[in-house]
Amino acid sequence: EPEVTQTPSHQVTQMGQEVILRCVPISNHLYFYWYRQILGQKVEFLVSFYNNEISEKSEIFDDQFSVERPDGSNFTLKIRSTKLEDSAMYFCASRGSDRDSPLHFGNGTRLTVT
Amino acid sequence: AQTVTQSQPEMSVQEAETVTLSCTYDTSESDYYLFWYKQPPSRQMILVIRQEAYKQQNATENRFSVNFQKAAKSFSLKISDSQLGDAAMYFCAYRTFYNQGGKLIFGQGTELSVKP
Repeated sequence: EPEVTQTPSHQVTQMGQEVILRCVPISNHLYFYWYRQILGQKVEFLVSFYNNEISEKSEIFDDQFSVERPDGSNFTLKIRSTKLEDSAMYFCASRGSDRDSPLHFGNGTRLTVT
Repeated sequence: AQTVTQSQPEMSVQEAETVTLSCTYDTSESDYYLFWYKQPPSRQMILVIRQEAYKQQNATENRFSVNFQKAAKSFSLKISDSQLGDAAMYFCAYRTFYNQGGKLIFGQGTELSVKP
């Protein structure tokens, strides 16, 4: 069964550094998402992406964050200048075009900011 | 705005017994989707079961079933014949029907432990 792939599984970075989290969604999916989960807390929506543009973003997704689909297969989340509070699990997800199609999650990238 | 509430931070069940996890939500929409996701210690997000609000029949997937009460805005998950592998965090989630790319809105989660 096709799956959403995220790399790396764990990323450690220093405060103030830029980090790029990578995702390969399922190939025929059209809707792409990033979610964040701070340890022990609920899963929070960051941004959704459709037709090569952001369709919705949350208050968390400020100017420090950006997303890109540079080559038609990868879907990346960039954090320009990481803060300690950006430490979390970041999940990429994708959905097909059918309204009833479920969301498929990747296994997540654990980001640790020191 | 829609909200999802799980009022049980932790639940415990004996192996082979049945447990019910509660979820309530708030929305003014008439059509939507509801989901239960399982998150084991690996932190993977696994879809357990889904319910379309326009369907009256409660969804069932093997040992997992839901009790969907639309008027009460309640969506509980029943796990029958609990197994050790069911131990995980369970999240209830809502998605609008009206925006095809709509996001999932999650509850706070319920940590389920299964005692042998």
